[in-house]
Amino acid sequence: DTGVSQNPRHKITKRGQNVTFRCDPISEHNRLYWYRQTLGQGPEFLTYFQNEAQLEKSRLLSDRFSAERPKGSFSTLEIQRTEQGDSAMYLCASSPGGLWLFFGSGTQLSVL
Amino acid sequence: AQTVTQSQPEMSVQEAETVTLSCTYDTSESDYYLFWYKQPPSRQMILVIRQEAYKQQNATENRFSVNFQKAAKSFSLKISDSQLGDAAMYFCAYRSGTGNQFYFGTGTSLTVIP
Repeated sequence: DTGVSQNPRHKITKRGQNVTFRCDPISEHNRLYWYRQTLGQGPEFLTYFQNEAQLEKSRLLSDRFSAERPKGSFSTLEIQRTEQGDSAMYLCASSPGGLWLFFGSGTQLSVL
Repeated sequence: AQTVTQSQPEMSVQEAETVTLSCTYDTSESDYYLFWYKQPPSRQMILVIRQEAYKQQNATENRFSVNFQKAAKSFSLKISDSQLGDAAMYFCAYRSGTGNQFYFGTGTSLTVIP
């Protein structure tokens, strides 16, 4: 068990480009969460999976964002047609049944 | 959505002293969970302590303890014998007993003065 792994650690992209982030959760955790964190703020919920099923999605999440968790293992978060307002830290967390969250180190996205 | 409020953006404490970080929350539910998370400069957030609302006894983890006041909807974190490694952002979080989302406050930046 090496914890929650996120790749890449940093991503710089130009406005309008698509980006994809990957999260590898702790293997025995059935729940996986994506959060977004901007400077000076707490993490903001984006979406949540139980196994391979995406059960909740924030109403704040634009349709440019999509997440998958094939076979209930790793997850990807894709942002299409990035905007400068998408610049943030994207955090992934896994959970044993929702008891608490184990976070990854995050992916810092900068949109130029 | 639930609201978690941390009214202290920044706090400082002398090494070896005790500091208390404040958190209040808004909920109409009786069953829920409260958490304190620590985010050091390396950015990986880690769980410090967890409290179930149905438990009257305050949770304790070594030098970290909470003061859970259910009626007042208050959940403060006390750090005793502060160490340099305690310097970090601290986030209070709430999860409903029936829901799946964790709601976070805006955080308190703790500085430990040698």
